[in-house]
Amino acid sequence: DGGITQSPKYLFRKEGQNVTLSCEQNLNHDAMYWYRQDPGQGLRLIYYSQIVNDFQKGDIAEGYSVSREKKESFPLTVTSAQKNPTAFYLCASSIGGFAEAFFGQGTRLTVV
Amino acid sequence: AQSVTQLDSQVPVFEEAPVELRCNYSSSVSVYLFWYVQYPNQGLQLLLKYLSGSTLVKGINGFEAEFNKSQTSFHVRKPSVHISDTAEYFCAVALGGSYIPTFGRGTSLIVHP
Repeated sequence: DGGITQSPKYLFRKEGQNVTLSCEQNLNHDAMYWYRQDPGQGLRLIYYSQIVNDFQKGDIAEGYSVSREKKESFPLTVTSAQKNPTAFYLCASSIGGFAEAFFGQGTRLTVV
Repeated sequence: AQSVTQLDSQVPVFEEAPVELRCNYSSSVSVYLFWYVQYPNQGLQLLLKYLSGSTLVKGINGFEAEFNKSQTSFHVRKPSVHISDTAEYFCAVALGGSYIPTFGRGTSLIVHP
């Protein structure tokens, strides 16, 4: 079955450590996105990529980094520079254009 | 710039009652509109979408929405809700050109027995 896989589902890290969240899709989609979800704030765009080897900052990119070396993969690194990293992170993909986005199940990151 | 406003953060309703979740957007150009549903600790799934054509669109689980260009609204309705409809609902808009979806803050639909 085609879809988007995020791993792990839950992640705990100590403050000051970098952590990488995985996102893989087998839908052959060109566009991929990372969103951060906090209670009452909806989804905020961190980074997006519309093609391999190219990505753009979203609204809240500070403290995050991404890579897009393969069409299927769009990992997100939460660096120690991110002041409030504890959140629910959602990865999505679409064929591009005005098509709807397909979402992974999310990764809940807790930094202690 | 595009923005999305979901007018209610929480909507409580009794089972089998009708419900409307409201969404307004701001954009001066053509937009594409979506509603997504999120169950607890899960990702989002598409409820329905408006791209062009008929302003009344039907989605999954008996939901439907009407695109109103003059009022820049895209409210979603269901004539009779079920307990299983309890979830978070997000409205999203994508502008022609970049197509990067912008999401509203979400509306929590709580269906009481």
